[in-house]
Amino acid sequence: QKEVEQDPGPLSVPEGAIVSLNCTYSNSAFQYFMWYRQYSRKGPELLMYTYSSGNKEDGRFTAQVDKSSKYISLFIRDSQPSDSATYLCSADTGTASKLTFGTGTRLQVTL
Amino acid sequence: DGGITQSPKYLFRKEGQNVTLSCEQNLNHDAMYWYRQDPGQGLRLIYYSQIVNDFQKGDIAEGYSVSREKKESFPLTVTSAQKNPTAFYLCASSIGGRGGYGYTFGSGTRLTVV
Repeated sequence: QKEVEQDPGPLSVPEGAIVSLNCTYSNSAFQYFMWYRQYSRKGPELLMYTYSSGNKEDGRFTAQVDKSSKYISLFIRDSQPSDSATYLCSADTGTASKLTFGTGTRLQVTL
Repeated sequence: DGGITQSPKYLFRKEGQNVTLSCEQNLNHDAMYWYRQDPGQGLRLIYYSQIVNDFQKGDIAEGYSVSREKKESFPLTVTSAQKNPTAFYLCASSIGGRGGYGYTFGSGTRLTVV
């Protein structure tokens, strides 16, 4: 079992929809949670960063962590075609020397 | 602007040939990482380094080698021992190896065996 599990998709939604991307994890020592966005043939870029449980909002994006159920979510409001990308969740204990990544979910926002 | 530069963007390798992928950062980050990305498999860690002159194997180090002679540079050599090297290679860096810091990624090198 992978430490961070993520549905690979693809997920296709119409423009303007609310998108929910999710990950589950198994390591209860994870304290830091991140979402990366990767456009085709590009490197991932850090999108959202959350420490411990709770919500964090940045414009149309909201990251949510529920440590009791080991569940990580990214919500995108008013989705745009430019949001079409692969979204990777990742987690870190804060004492390990590397991040643990999910496999990524490919999102397609259609006109 | 600070960032990570990977070169070349595209690389073609003949059978039995070693090739070296370049990764340079000007972010003053201590830690650097190499990942391989294949369709449907996510990011797989090849090697990482937390300080100069020190590096550790990741999950799929066989057939690869690295060096870390300077803080700014972490080149990856794909040797002839790597039987399936065609993939997208990503270099990343972070402020420190511990502490929950996010990564900054380069734009990647696409390696193809011809």
